[in-house]
Amino acid sequence: AQSVTQLDSHVSVSEGTPVLLRCNYSSSYSPSLFWYVQHPNKGLQLLLKYTSAATLVKGINGFEAEFKKSETSFHLTKPSAHMSDAAEYFCVVTPFRNYGGSQGNLIFGKGTKLSVKP
Amino acid sequence: EPEVTQTPSHQVTQMGQEVILRCVPISNHLYFYWYRQILGQKVEFLVSFYNNEISEKSEIFDDQFSVERPDGSNFTLKIRSTKLEDSAMYFCASTPAPGNTIYFGEGSWLTVV
Repeated sequence: AQSVTQLDSHVSVSEGTPVLLRCNYSSSYSPSLFWYVQHPNKGLQLLLKYTSAATLVKGINGFEAEFKKSETSFHLTKPSAHMSDAAEYFCVVTPFRNYGGSQGNLIFGKGTKLSVKP
Repeated sequence: EPEVTQTPSHQVTQMGQEVILRCVPISNHLYFYWYRQILGQKVEFLVSFYNNEISEKSEIFDDQFSVERPDGSNFTLKIRSTKLEDSAMYFCASTPAPGNTIYFGEGSWLTVV
């Protein structure tokens, strides 16, 4: 079975400071892992994805995440927060063989709301 | 950039009424999904659809729910007799093929009163 835990429901940072959003996963199979972002009144947008290639994954808007199998973690980071980064972020897991296929059973974390102070 | 579009953005309905949520997936995509998010809870998988049939469904997707692709562009979710607990944001998603990015729509807020 797969599951994902986002350790913080709310993270607040100042503009220009680093962002760290934490995610731990549990998966019986080699997982595919994703971060999606949802801005207010917008749909879910893919930030980045890990699918068993390089463990350090770079995404859009300067975000990156590192897959650490030994720690079962996939934390999202950004060196310098921008006001436009304020949104809700979801860590998502699915078994690699199922991703995007006829099953497509993405398993979402509860989300972390990121606030950015000026 | 192509988008998944959903209508309505918000619907209020009385308990027991039928509701149809509509989605237009990205045009060359072949796999379609519905997810939902009850306020304050996780986004949950409901159903996947490929080649004009349901590929997989979750325990949430009971007999009150159905999906249809009535023409070449729309993908609909029908709730036959809504309950208060069906109040949620419903997301449609699509992808062209396994292993590709899954694109989500902006969601439809359903409020059952």
